[in-house]
Amino acid sequence: NAGVMQNPRHLVRRRGQEARLRCSPMKGHSHVYWYRQLPEEGLKFMVYLQKENIIDESGMPKERFSAEFPKEGPSILRIQQVVRGDSAAYFCASSPSRDTIYFGEGSWLTVV
Amino acid sequence: KNEVEQSPQNLTAQEGEFITINCSYSVGISALHWLQQHPGGGIVSLFMLSSGKKKHGRLIATINIQEKHSSLHITASHPRDSAVYICAATLFNTDKLIFGTGTRLQVFP
Repeated sequence: NAGVMQNPRHLVRRRGQEARLRCSPMKGHSHVYWYRQLPEEGLKFMVYLQKENIIDESGMPKERFSAEFPKEGPSILRIQQVVRGDSAAYFCASSPSRDTIYFGEGSWLTVV
Repeated sequence: KNEVEQSPQNLTAQEGEFITINCSYSVGISALHWLQQHPGGGIVSLFMLSSGKKKHGRLIATINIQEKHSSLHITASHPRDSAVYICAATLFNTDKLIFGTGTRLQVFP
């Protein structure tokens, strides 16, 4: 049973481009979470999704950020028109229930 | 003031020492997590606690619900334990994790 898979591990984008980060949860896990870790800061919750539903997006910036977890395929975190302040590590986690949680290796976004 | 506070922020130890990292929280929680992050690396979940004490190898985690406090202990520390240790709390009745700022541990041989 593979762990939580994130790709790409590293992504470089110019200001104004779009960034798409993908997360495949562990097999059988229906809960997906995205967290952001800004340089020299702690992790912050962004969004919680179940298949085809956004359950809690209270941590998502109001503009340019969106997330989905379609019926088939990975969860996608999409950042439009990236700015330098979006440079961060983005972690995905999945869970079969509310109890245990498994993190991916992270995707490091650098905006130049 | 953060809802989850960790101390110390930085910790250095000699190999073999007993290490304690503390976490206190000020909100209602359903679970408390201890996570490990190596530099530039992913995050590993070490423990999830809702009460009492858990042990895994040289790692022990405890939680006192009344005092809203948890500790992570490492016995017989080793240089490979060097990492950032993060306390995170699942807010009661939600699925949202609130994170402490982490404790950077360095264990020297």
